[in-house]
Amino acid sequence: AQKITQTQPGMFVQEKEAVTLDCTYDTSDPSYGLFWYKQPSSGEMIFLIYQGSYDQQNATEGRYSLNFQKARKSANLVISASQLGDSAMYFCAMREGNGQNFVFGPGTRLSVLP
Amino acid sequence: NAGVTQTPKFQVLKTGQSMTLQCAQDMNHEYMSWYRQDPGMGLRLIHYSVGAGITDQGEVPNGYNVSRSTTEDFPLRLLSAAPSQTSVYFCASSDRARGMAEQFFGPGTRLTVL
Repeated sequence: AQKITQTQPGMFVQEKEAVTLDCTYDTSDPSYGLFWYKQPSSGEMIFLIYQGSYDQQNATEGRYSLNFQKARKSANLVISASQLGDSAMYFCAMREGNGQNFVFGPGTRLSVLP
Repeated sequence: NAGVTQTPKFQVLKTGQSMTLQCAQDMNHEYMSWYRQDPGMGLRLIHYSVGAGITDQGEVPNGYNVSRSTTEDFPLRLLSAAPSQTSVYFCASSDRARGMAEQFFGPGTRLTVL
């Protein structure tokens, strides 16, 4: 069964607008971490933001925030004030409990339009 | 710090050839892993290691071997290359001692098997 689902293969957003990239996850472990990575066309994987399962508040990092809805098992990435440089693939990932392994979703390709 | 380095950046092999993808990190991270990235499938875990002398299989280990003789290095060996192993390979590391720490990725190796 898919542990990480990203239902939006591609998204478009106008420059300076906000966009939400969806991520749902599946785990029975009460302790887990959720991560978002950005992969620009150059290919490197860039860590954006982290949310722990016990964190009471949604994580924020600059223009990135994570809309964490634990009961719905969703961890959507919100990018505010989109910039042309935000055009990239975005991957949601999960790490469970004391495990060290990450499970990645299939990714969402975001295109920011001028 | 150089972070996570991978060599080579590009490689073309013929079916049946063997080769080793090199990965090194200078952050003293205990955990290292290898992923392959194929279009539309995100990143899939090949092998991982939680410390020197300890390795284990991930989701797609067939056709690959690893060893971890030092903390710094985690080479991936292709035993007899097949066209199905054409992919982009990423090495990653994380600090086990920090619990739910993010993974740091190398720049990737683009492998083509003819």
